[in-house]
Amino acid sequence: KNEVEQSPQNLTAQEGEFITINCSYSVGISALHWLQQHPGGGIVSLFMLSSGKKKHGRLIATINIQEKHSSLHITASHPRDSAVYICAVKINYQLIWGAGTKLIIKP
Amino acid sequence: GAGVSQSPRYKVTKRGQDVALRCDPISGHVSLYWYRQALGQGPEFLTYFNYEAQQDKSGLPNDRFSAERPEGSISTLTIQRTEQRDSAMYRCASSSGLAGGKNEQFFGPGTRLTVL
Repeated sequence: KNEVEQSPQNLTAQEGEFITINCSYSVGISALHWLQQHPGGGIVSLFMLSSGKKKHGRLIATINIQEKHSSLHITASHPRDSAVYICAVKINYQLIWGAGTKLIIKP
Repeated sequence: GAGVSQSPRYKVTKRGQDVALRCDPISGHVSLYWYRQALGQGPEFLTYFNYEAQQDKSGLPNDRFSAERPEGSISTLTIQRTEQRDSAMYRCASSSGLAGGKNEQFFGPGTRLTVL
């Protein structure tokens, strides 16, 4: 069993839709990252969470430590949000990565 | 610097050659990490430094892989006698190294290695 599970693996939505990507993990962590990987391969850190909720622009990330679950939400989605979104959990200093969710937003 | 930089961005080499990949972390960042990402897969941890000390090299696949960070800043990942299976994106990240284990890692653009 993978330590980090993301769902869905692939998601296609229309511009403007509210997007939710889920991440579940099975081990104790010190923090959780949400990262965005663009088609060119570049990785951008969106959030690092250890509790509660963070918001940046149209992006919202939440984490429930007791349930070992995190969600990334995108409001008013736009085609430029199309990317692979990766959940990675921090165990000591290592990042254990989920497989990613490929998001396509159609105009 | 403004961010983590890596060089070269692309490297094509022939099987059996040695390659050296460079990572220049964010200025002042104590911790430096190397990851490898094969096509279509998530990155896997390779090794990690605090200052110049290599804290964990358990992710290095075999003894052809080595890394150093002699002055606690720039790091070099060296792959000797490259094989085709070494082809991947090699990513470097750095973090401030503050106590508490919650340091955010900032990633470089990666080096795309292709072994022919």
